[in-house]
Amino acid sequence: DAGVIQSPRHEVTEMGQEVTLRCKPISGHNSLFWYRQTMMRGLELLIYFNNNVPIDDSGMPEDRFSAKMPNASFSTLKIQPSEPRDSAVYFCASSNPNRQGPNEQFFGPGTRLTVL
Amino acid sequence: GEDVEQSLFLSVREGDSSVINCTYTDSSSTYLYWYKQEPGAGLQLLTYIFSNMDMKQDQRLTVLLNKKDKHLSLRIADTQTGDSAIYFCAESSGGSYIPTFGRGTSLIVHP
Repeated sequence: DAGVIQSPRHEVTEMGQEVTLRCKPISGHNSLFWYRQTMMRGLELLIYFNNNVPIDDSGMPEDRFSAKMPNASFSTLKIQPSEPRDSAVYFCASSNPNRQGPNEQFFGPGTRLTVL
Repeated sequence: GEDVEQSLFLSVREGDSSVINCTYTDSSSTYLYWYKQEPGAGLQLLTYIFSNMDMKQDQRLTVLLNKKDKHLSLRIADTQTGDSAIYFCAESSGGSYIPTFGRGTSLIVHP
């Protein structure tokens, strides 16, 4: 398996532009997570899906952020309009939760976003 | 305060042992995890321990759990330069499969 795939790996954009980050989870995993990592705030959970349904989006910073999961193999995180403070590394992770055992999350390589 | 706390930095000499510490607040935690993040990469599960255990050893890694004090540690024996990374402590409870991550400890290994 190729693991969790994210694109693009790097994105540089100007303030006010729309940014779309993409994620392909591991086949067979039914949970998908979007995280943001910054030096100041560490790793933050933005939103997660279970069986393509958004379960908890309380971590989404504001209305400029939106996430979708149209099918089991694809998810997007969109920022519109982007601001310099959105600059961070965004990770997608997937898992196949088992309430009887440990729940390992598999992370993608991340998208480094720079908003000028 | 944060649910999972770790110190931000640890510097060790190559060949020495590293001990990374973590405290958590959720007394219902069932699994505790250590993830490793190498530069430019995502997090990867290194090891985990079930809450009814107090120790787990895997080659150079030793995990110690003090459930009474809600304290978890990761010991890396004979630390190598390739161990330089950020190490995240995480916990999950039976009621939720979503792990809560600490902020990560940057381990710097110098010659």
